[in-house]
Amino acid sequence: AQRVTQPEKLLSVFKGAPVELKCNYSYSGSPELFWYVQYSRQRLQLLLRHISRESIKGFTADLNKGETSFHLKKPFAQEEDSAMYYCALWMDSSYKLIFGSGTRLLVRP
Amino acid sequence: DAGVIQSPRHEVTEMGQEVTLRCKPISGHDYLFWYRQTMMRGLELLIYFNNNVPIDDSGMPEDRFSAKMPNASFSTLKIQPSEPRDSAVYFCASSRTANSPLHFGNGTRLTVT
Repeated sequence: AQRVTQPEKLLSVFKGAPVELKCNYSYSGSPELFWYVQYSRQRLQLLLRHISRESIKGFTADLNKGETSFHLKKPFAQEEDSAMYYCALWMDSSYKLIFGSGTRLLVRP
Repeated sequence: DAGVIQSPRHEVTEMGQEVTLRCKPISGHDYLFWYRQTMMRGLELLIYFNNNVPIDDSGMPEDRFSAKMPNASFSTLKIQPSEPRDSAVYFCASSRTANSPLHFGNGTRLTVT
């Protein structure tokens, strides 16, 4: 069955430390992966998508089909990165976007 | 553009009452999605529309839930009768095409007592 797994509910790091938010997916078709972010008191919004292969706010994510992963990384975390992060999978077989359960990132000063 | 607009922002109701949540998508977006967010299950897709037509409602929990999209600029999600386990944040989102990025509303926080 198709599924997006984010194993960590909470990730706490200090400012300047590297960050890796884990995301694994299960899908038999051709996956398209996204990361969405929700800052405090703001709407859920797109952070990046794997097909664009760009870095947004210093974050990058590489799709690894062998490991079925799409981990989000940033070399030096900033306090303003504190937010809820959701990994999402677009399924071309059913035209649906499903989300993981989310990881709350807390960057401490 | 004001983005996706949802109302109300907060709704508190008693068990058994009817609840109606409203959404205005971004003009020109052909797809509209309703998601439910809970601590336990994260973001769950309830139903989505394409050009006002419901395409997939397999995520709707049960018959107490219904959704309509009478025109391109308005959609409702109704729960009748409501139950405490329906308490969650309900998000509406729209997109231009099927796999283009979603634009989310601010959500409606529903509390059923």
